[in-house]
Amino acid sequence: EVQLVESGGGLVQPGASLKLSCVASGFTFSDYWMSWVRQTPGKTMEWIGDIKYDGSYTNYAPSLKNRFTISRDNAKSTLYLQMSNVRSEDTATYYCTRNYGSYWGQGVMVTVSS
Amino acid sequence: DIQMTQSPSLLSASVGDRVTINCKASQNINKYLNWYQQKLGEAPKLLIYNTNNLQTGIPSRFSGSGSGTDYTLTISSLQPEDFGTYFCFQHNSWPLTFGSGTKLEIK
Repeated sequence: EVQLVESGGGLVQPGASLKLSCVASGFTFSDYWMSWVRQTPGKTMEWIGDIKYDGSYTNYAPSLKNRFTISRDNAKSTLYLQMSNVRSEDTATYYCTRNYGSYWGQGVMVTVSS
Repeated sequence: DIQMTQSPSLLSASVGDRVTINCKASQNINKYLNWYQQKLGEAPKLLIYNTNNLQTGIPSRFSGSGSGTDYTLTISSLQPEDFGTYFCFQHNSWPLTFGSGTKLEIK
């Protein structure tokens, strides 16, 4: 059974950094592109970016490219999202997904507030 | 960036109705269009991938069609468990983009 489990969310202050993790199981992690998607409190879905199966290539939403970094550790079957200089508009539920949304994690909430 | 215009934003229908939800892309997305269902408090679930391919385990009352810039999700006979929000998603070209969602209410 494919499972994706995100962690690392919580309440953070504006300007801080935060790193989310997503542990995968039930499939060969190193065979798949992986993505991060977020959903705002108003339910808007936003694709953040993705990473090639070997970690050699990434794509990002242009508005997030300078602050967010996606990486992976195939030995640990783990996907990461490094968020820097967070803003109130980054408040959302963050999901990791396998390739183009075939499977989703349960999501992790990030709240940016002072 | 490719803009995805999804309609309607709100849909109220009765059990047994045929329901259609539309997504229009701002340019040709070559059928790289997925549909998701999301229920309150849950992660989205893939229903249809690449326009018309039913994901494993999804009931056959769900179907997808379209080409070029225009795509449709159809539920042939609405069931009570089909309430929720539906999203389209294009993965033809980066940055990938979602539609704004359709909230489906059961009358």
